[in-house]
This record gives sequence, structure tokens and C-alpha cells, in this order.
Amino acid sequence: NAGVMQNPRHLVRRRGQEARLRCSPMKGHSHVYWYRQLPEEGLKFMVYLQKENIIDESGMPKERFSAEFPKEGPSILRIQQVVRGDSAAYFCASSPPGDGLNTIYFGEGSWLTVV
Amino acid sequence: AQRVTQPEKLLSVFKGAPVELKCNYSYSGSPELFWYVQYSRQRLQLLLRHISRESIKGFTADLNKGETSFHLKKPFAQEEDSAMYYCALSVGGSNYKLTFGKGTLLTVNP
Repeated sequence: NAGVMQNPRHLVRRRGQEARLRCSPMKGHSHVYWYRQLPEEGLKFMVYLQKENIIDESGMPKERFSAEFPKEGPSILRIQQVVRGDSAAYFCASSPPGDGLNTIYFGEGSWLTVV
Repeated sequence: AQRVTQPEKLLSVFKGAPVELKCNYSYSGSPELFWYVQYSRQRLQLLLRHISRESIKGFTADLNKGETSFHLKKPFAQEEDSAMYYCALSVGGSNYKLTFGKGTLLTVNP
């Protein structure tokens, strides 16, 4: 099992552009989570998705950020019209189907730099 | 809102010395506490959780509700313990919505 796979690992965008980060969960995992780590901060929960459903988006910024986990393919975190403050490490995690008490497994992260 | 505080950004000890990484939390209810570790160039991984009351790689952590602390301890540090350690908590019975501390970078010197 290759683990949670994220790409790209590093992404540079100019202000105003769009950033798309992809996450493939571990085999057999149907729950995906996105976290953001701003410089000098701890990871912060953004969103929890299952296939074709957003379960909890309480940590998502109200504007410009969206996430999806389609029936086929990876989960995507999209940031529109990026600003310098979006520069951060974005971590995806996944867990198997269950009652929310399973351990979640993290990917290696995607580092977004906005110039 | 809940918060996790790791007061030490950096901690350096010698091999064989005891190590304690501090973690304090603020939450009025009963949280679940975790320690995650990130070794150099590797992904974040769960080290231990308080409900398991287990020892992993010689590390233990006891939840002290009176002091709202969940310090991570190991009696004899090894060089391979050098890593970034994050304390985290979850509430409401679900362990996906974690609140992390800022982390402590542990360096174990030979």
C-alpha cells in the first residue's frame, strides 16, 4: 500500500491564479480530510469528504476554497485567485470506512507558494 | 474553542537521557489526545493516543485532566527519536477533526 499520495508536492502560483492540489487516499479508504499548515503554525482541519459528499467543511475559508472527492479519481482541493496568505503546506489524510474513530493516515503534503 | 499548546519549539537532549515533550490543552469537556511524529522527510504518523494507554517505541503519555496536560515521555532517548512531535486533540468522539499544537523539534545528540 503506497500510502496517501499527494501531488504536486510543490506548487508555485502567482497572485490571482488558481491552485489545484490532488490527493489519492490509501487503498480501501473512502474518507478524505484536508488540513492546512501555515508557517510556524500547527495543522488546522479544513474539510472532510467521502465519495461525492462533503461531510464537514467547518474549517474551510468561506471564499475561494473548495474541495471535492468525485466518484472516480482523486480528491481535489481548489484555491481560486490565490493570495500570498494562502502560502502553506496542505496535508491530505484518509481513513477506512467506519465510525469516525479510525486512525487517519497523512500524506506527505503539498507546499503552495504564492508569489 | 479548543487549543493545544506545546511550549517548546526546540528540545535538545543527549542519547540516553530522559526526555519529556510538553503538551497542554484547553477544552472544557473530555477530549481525546494524540501524539503524532514526523521523522525527517517522512509523513506525519500517529505515535500514540491516550485511550490506548500503550507504550510505542518506549514513549508513554498520561492524560492529566487536572493540569490539562498530555506530556510525552521516554526514559532513555535514542538518536532515532530525533523528529518533529505534534500533540493533537479531538472532541465529540471523532478523531478526524484534530486540533494540533505547533510542534516540538526534538534533537537527540550522540
